[in-house]
Amino acid sequence: DAGVIQSPRHEVTEMGQEVTLRCKPISGHDYLFWYRQTMMRGLELLIYFNNNVPIDDSGMPEDRFSAKMPNASFSTLKIQPSEPRDSAVYFCASSRQGAGNTEAFFGQGTRLTVV
Amino acid sequence: QQQVKQSPQSLIVQKGGISIINCAYENTAFDYFPWYQQFPGKGPALLIAIRPDVSEKKEGRFTISFNKSAKQFSLHIMDSQPGDSATYFCAATVSGSARQLTFGSGTQLTVLP
Repeated sequence: DAGVIQSPRHEVTEMGQEVTLRCKPISGHDYLFWYRQTMMRGLELLIYFNNNVPIDDSGMPEDRFSAKMPNASFSTLKIQPSEPRDSAVYFCASSRQGAGNTEAFFGQGTRLTVV
Repeated sequence: QQQVKQSPQSLIVQKGGISIINCAYENTAFDYFPWYQQFPGKGPALLIAIRPDVSEKKEGRFTISFNKSAKQFSLHIMDSQPGDSATYFCAATVSGSARQLTFGSGTQLTVLP
């Protein structure tokens, strides 16, 4: 498996524009997480899904943020409208339910810059 | 209750030295404590993890020490190498739950050649 795949790797957009980040989890994983990483706040969990169903979105900062998981192999994180303070690296991670170790596999991230 | 506090924020060590990163938690329900390593431009990757039924776990040059009564755990990197230069995150979760990791704030380690 190629691991968790995120696209794009880099995104530069103007304030007010819509931004869509994409994630393909590892096949067979039934948990998917979206994190945001900034220097000031570190790694923050935004939302996570279990079997494509959103379980906890309490980390989503504002209504401008939304996430979907239409099927087991694809998820999106959308920001509309984007603001300069949304500039960060956004990570998607996936893991598999079951007994034993709890390892989350992270993608390489999308570096978002809103100007 | 959900916080994991990590220190130091940054650490500079000479090649061959010992790097020590500390974390403390409050939620006594946490029972799985992984450490993640992140290189620039990459996502975090699992390095080593421990459960509270043991006080120490060693994998190569990396050792986790765990003090359940103090609710603290630490990562020791023996014989630190320049290739170990990265950001290290401690984390905690309740196994069997939704696998929601609570991360520390991260430590940027620089190992000088």
